[in-house]
Amino acid sequence: EADIYQTPRYLVIGTGKKITLECSQTMGHDKMYWYQQDPGMELHLIHYSYGVNSTEKGDLSSESTVSRIRTEHFPLTLESARPSHTSQYLCASSEGLTGNFSYEQYFGPGTRLTVT
Amino acid sequence: KNQVEQSPQSLIILEGKNCTLQCNYTVSPFSNLRWYKQDTGRGPVSLTIMTFSENTKSNGRYTATLDADTKQSSLHITASQLSDSASYICVVSDRGSTLGRLYFGRGTQLTVWP
Repeated sequence: EADIYQTPRYLVIGTGKKITLECSQTMGHDKMYWYQQDPGMELHLIHYSYGVNSTEKGDLSSESTVSRIRTEHFPLTLESARPSHTSQYLCASSEGLTGNFSYEQYFGPGTRLTVT
Repeated sequence: KNQVEQSPQSLIILEGKNCTLQCNYTVSPFSNLRWYKQDTGRGPVSLTIMTFSENTKSNGRYTATLDADTKQSSLHITASQLSDSASYICVVSDRGSTLGRLYFGRGTQLTVWP
């Protein structure tokens, strides 16, 4: 089983609150990713990082931001949550050369976010 | 447009029976194809990964096949168990010029009844 962790697992908050979803991995992987997944739908890449101080936006536009100050840590922040942000957020990491997504990605258990 | 289509969308089978899930893709240039199992409320876990030159790969009761010419893959589950109830996601990676990407299907929701 992959050593990648996400907290909290479930979060219910009111509109306008600032939240940070935590993701950490102990595998020493340089590459990390955030995906958004709605029920019955495919995963959409919203952010990724090649390594420390590297962050890029993914395919799906997101109002969230990310940071990568340490290799093992890749938090996602929403400055002002809205009901449209209600979704499941999955973090993943992988080895691999910069710019190559072909290596195995290991997923965390996800955070189920509900904004009321 | 690079796409991954899975069928059926959902499937119910009785414990002990076999089933086959389908995946068609249009991703090009192709790098590899993976099948993931995602339990409800959990992250996806890799079952198999196949490159262009591989046409079958097994992982216990799971056997994946790949036909790179027709761009089709299948996942066969033998002697299903209650714990096989999950969403099975087909994921295709391309090897684009500077950035390979993962393209996800919407998954097949499998329910195994006792």
